[in-house]
Amino acid sequence: EDQVTQSPEALRLQEGESSSLNCSYTVSGLRGLFWYRQDPGKGPEFLFTLYSAGEEKEKERLKATLTKKESFLHITAPKPEDSATYLCAGSLIQGAQKLVFGQGTRLTINP
Amino acid sequence: NAGVTQTPKFQVLKTGQSMTLQCAQDMNHEYMSWYRQDPGMGLRLIHYSVGAGITDQGEVPNGYNVSRSTTEDFPLRLLSAAPSQTSVYFCASSLTSGGYLEQFFGPGTRLTVL
Repeated sequence: EDQVTQSPEALRLQEGESSSLNCSYTVSGLRGLFWYRQDPGKGPEFLFTLYSAGEEKEKERLKATLTKKESFLHITAPKPEDSATYLCAGSLIQGAQKLVFGQGTRLTINP
Repeated sequence: NAGVTQTPKFQVLKTGQSMTLQCAQDMNHEYMSWYRQDPGMGLRLIHYSVGAGITDQGEVPNGYNVSRSTTEDFPLRLLSAAPSQTSVYFCASSLTSGGYLEQFFGPGTRLTVL
């Protein structure tokens, strides 16, 4: 069964304290691994797409990496404005594109 | 570009009522989809469309209908609302249906069924 699992469910950090969020997946025929950010009451906002093992992408304090079984979202020296829920999704093709989402990691950065 | 827009933002229904959630995009995207988001469940695909006139079922299609008569619009219809359909609904679109490109999400509709 195609599945995406994120850990931890929630993470609380102090401002400046770096950490990583994990996304493990069992998606056959993975086309892409997507990371989204979701603020309360808003729709998910696209961050990164990773296509192959070993690939890395960066944006400000965020860096996403991909292996054959999991992806990590590294957050370096976070600020309170980085507080959000981070969603991971695997894209597979069953006739057409389908996204399989993890449950998300709720990140809180305390000043 | 307005991106993906959804109306209404909030809606309360009684059991058995019907309604249509509207979704529109102005990016000329080929692929559109509907998800529901429930606590602890993540986002789940309801229905999707790879172009005007073409729709198909996702993971949780029961109780919902869709149609796509234009590239821009992809409405979701609840035929007879049930409390189990209380959720936040998101519409998303992508340039193509090939699975390699990101989907852009709307702001969501929060639906409560009493």
